[in-house]
Amino acid sequence: QVQLVQSGAEVRKPGSSVKVSCKASGGSFSSFAISWVRQAPGQGLEWMGGVIPIFGTANYAQKFQGRVTITTDESTSTAYMELRSLTSDDTAVYYCARDGGYERSGYYGWFDPWGPGTLVTVSS
Amino acid sequence: DIQMTQSPSTLSASVGDRVTITCRASQSISSWLAWYQQKAGKAPKVLIYKASNLESGVPSRFSGSGSGTEFTLTISSLQPDDFATYYCQQYSTYPPLTFGGGTKVEIK
Repeated sequence: QVQLVQSGAEVRKPGSSVKVSCKASGGSFSSFAISWVRQAPGQGLEWMGGVIPIFGTANYAQKFQGRVTITTDESTSTAYMELRSLTSDDTAVYYCARDGGYERSGYYGWFDPWGPGTLVTVSS
Repeated sequence: DIQMTQSPSTLSASVGDRVTITCRASQSISSWLAWYQQKAGKAPKVLIYKASNLESGVPSRFSGSGSGTEFTLTISSLQPDDFATYYCQQYSTYPPLTFGGGTKVEIK
């Protein structure tokens, strides 16, 4: 059973960057897409992008294109999400989530499991 | 982008009630739809995938139906543990994968 463990809460100033990690244990890492989903306080879920570790290729939501980079380190079964040029609107909980692994039409499908989330606070 | 619209945004119900949540897609997504439950301060948990498939370990009072552009999540008899926020998510076309705005199920 795969479990995802994320890095701890971060506080950043506007204009800076943040890099959040997501380490997988207990199952396959390379064959399934890992996505990053964020949730601003009191708001809904927003997909930022994802990566397929075995291919090393990432896909991003256009909203974040050019400001986010998602990478993986297969040697440590860890995925990373770096977000640059932070503003207060980026204050949110950031979740990593693995693809459910079946019953999907492409490389990205439904999400299971999810990491516990990492709170990123952007404040001057 | 495919827009996902959930209704209602808030639902007040009592234990034992039958509850239905609707999710509409802006274009056909076949059956490529999942439903999640999220409790305060916790990560979402998948309930249903491919529109009507119950994820292992999820109580049978949860069911999903629909295809194309209209989908429903039904809780046949609401239990105290079911008060939470529910989201639909399409995975037919990406990027981006998209979620509905959420439905909060509250105690009446």
